[in-house]
Amino acid sequence: DGGITQSPKYLFRKEGQNVTLSCEQNLNHDAMYWYRQDPGQGLRLIYYSQIVNDFQKGDIAEGYSVSREKKESFPLTVTSAQKNPTAFYLCASSIGRRQETQYFGPGTRLLVL
Amino acid sequence: AQSVSQHNHHVILSEAASLELGCNYSYGGTVNLFWYVQYPGQHLQLLLKYFSGDPLVKGIKGFEAEFIKSKFSFNLRKPSVQWSDTAEYFCAVNVGDSGTYKYIFGTGTRLKVLA
Repeated sequence: DGGITQSPKYLFRKEGQNVTLSCEQNLNHDAMYWYRQDPGQGLRLIYYSQIVNDFQKGDIAEGYSVSREKKESFPLTVTSAQKNPTAFYLCASSIGRRQETQYFGPGTRLLVL
Repeated sequence: AQSVSQHNHHVILSEAASLELGCNYSYGGTVNLFWYVQYPGQHLQLLLKYFSGDPLVKGIKGFEAEFIKSKFSFNLRKPSVQWSDTAEYFCAVNVGDSGTYKYIFGTGTRLKVLA
């Protein structure tokens, strides 16, 4: 089955800790995205990558970092600089450089201890 | 700056009622328009999309949306809702600028359908 997988489903972060959220796709899509979903705020773009070894900041990139070493993988690191990390994080992908229909993973809920 | 507005944040309807969810965007150029739905406990998924052609588009589960360019709107409709339509609905636009494309989502509308 083709799709996007995200792990873990729930993640707990301690003060001052960096944590990494995994996103893998087997759809052979070039473009991948990370969104943050907060109640009443919709989806806000953190980072996106239109091709391997290239990525751009979205609207709320501060406190986050990404890498795109492989086409199928786009991990997101929530650093200690992100002061309000508690949220639901969604990974998505689309076919090409022109962003078209996006396909979403099941999400990771990050909680701060 | 480009933006997408969904004016209804929470909607409660009884089964068989008609539904219309508003979506307006601010961008003067060419746009692609989408409605996504997030059912409880499920992935966000595409409901319908408009790229070009007939401004009235039909999606899954009896939903449709009409693109009205003069009003910068892309409202979602369904003549008769079912309990299973309970979900959160997101309008999104894809805008192009100098070869770079950007997705912008609205804040979402939570629909609760009472059986």
